[in-house]
Amino acid sequence: AQSVTQLDSHVSVSEGTPVLLRCNYSSSYSPSLFWYVQHPNKGLQLLLKYTSAATLVKGINGFEAEFKKSETSFHLTKPSAHMSDAAEYFCVVSEVGGATNKLIFGTGTLLAVQP
Amino acid sequence: DAGVTQSPTHLIKTRGQHVTLRCSPISGHKSVSWYQQVLGQGPQFIFQYYEKEERGRGNFPDRFSARQFPNYSSELNVNALLLGDSALYLCASSLDRTSFYEQYFGPGTRLTVT
Repeated sequence: AQSVTQLDSHVSVSEGTPVLLRCNYSSSYSPSLFWYVQHPNKGLQLLLKYTSAATLVKGINGFEAEFKKSETSFHLTKPSAHMSDAAEYFCVVSEVGGATNKLIFGTGTLLAVQP
Repeated sequence: DAGVTQSPTHLIKTRGQHVTLRCSPISGHKSVSWYQQVLGQGPQFIFQYYEKEERGRGNFPDRFSARQFPNYSSELNVNALLLGDSALYLCASSLDRTSFYEQYFGPGTRLTVT
């Protein structure tokens, strides 16, 4: 069975400081891993995805994530937070090569950015 | 190009009633998936439809059903509504049914059951 665990339900940073949102995964297969962002009253937007290519994945809006198989982690980072980054972030796992594209979401991390 | 559209945006139903939610995928996308997002939680997979056939089903009771039409739009039906069915229902479309293809989410339908 596949699952993801987001280690922090809330993270608060100051504008201009680095962001780290932590995610650990569990998968019996080679996983596809994603980070999605959800702004209030808006749909989910894909930030980045890992599908067994380069372990350091760059996404939109300056975000990146590193796949570490030895640590079963896929943490999301950004060097400098912006006020517009305040949102809920979901770590997501899916089965590579499976018959469906079922996404399994973590419980989410709410990012607050202080001025 | 238009993104994934869902209707209605909001609705309020009473326990025991039935509800139908609608989703139009991005043009050219053949796969539609439905997710339920309860307040404070991550979305949970309900169904995936590809080429008008059910390709995957999550751990939801038989009160939940769906279908996909020849134009690839989809309906999610929920019978005998319970208070616990109150949630944001999200539709996602993708070109194909495997995880290699990105899923694009609609804005959701907010269902409140009283």
